[in-house]
Amino acid sequence: DAKTTQPPSMDCAEGRAANLPCNHSTISGNEYVYWYRQIHSQGPQYIIHGLKNNETNEMASLIITEDRKSSTLILPHATLRDTAVYYCIAAQGGSEKLVFGKGMKLTVNP
Amino acid sequence: DAEITQSPRHKITETGRQVTLACHQTWNHNNMFWYRQDLGHGLRLIHYSYGVQDTNKGEVSDGYSVSRSNTEDLPLTLESAASSQTSVYFCASSRTRTGELFFGEGSRLTVL
Repeated sequence: DAKTTQPPSMDCAEGRAANLPCNHSTISGNEYVYWYRQIHSQGPQYIIHGLKNNETNEMASLIITEDRKSSTLILPHATLRDTAVYYCIAAQGGSEKLVFGKGMKLTVNP
Repeated sequence: DAEITQSPRHKITETGRQVTLACHQTWNHNNMFWYRQDLGHGLRLIHYSYGVQDTNKGEVSDGYSVSRSNTEDLPLTLESAASSQTSVYFCASSRTRTGELFFGEGSRLTVL
């Protein structure tokens, strides 16, 4: 499965959009991009996933570049409760293929 | 509401003892997973099950076992606990094999 690269951390102001980048330059054609987050000490929480097209749900938007080598998770109006570690995962097949790396720590500041 | 629960939430045990961590979900999901999380390692898959009587080894299965006798439960057993198994353990379930994972709140295990 493709390896993903995320910056270790980033900050965002409360109320502003948070744009979380992810690089997956070796992704194959049938690998999905998944995003999860983990708020301090809690179990990870699913956010969104996509293959080629941009996706949006009540939590976030996922923008995947046309060549699929990178993607951006957008939290449109970040709140303090969005402070968490965000995991970008590229995988295909069963959920056992999801590899949770170190993720990226997003801190939303007041 | 349907949910996934883990017990105990905190446990301290001694080296060599057998320990069982429980995971129970009420969504009737066929797929269940056990992960451990250690500082600097993210989450690592221990075992998983895609249905009753089905169990599979994950990335770090040595020293752990699971059994799936019904849809709701996937207990994780440490046959002889070691200090290296001190960790936070997360159970998860999903409705489909590629669907979103729903995680429990975690069980913190300390092996002295």
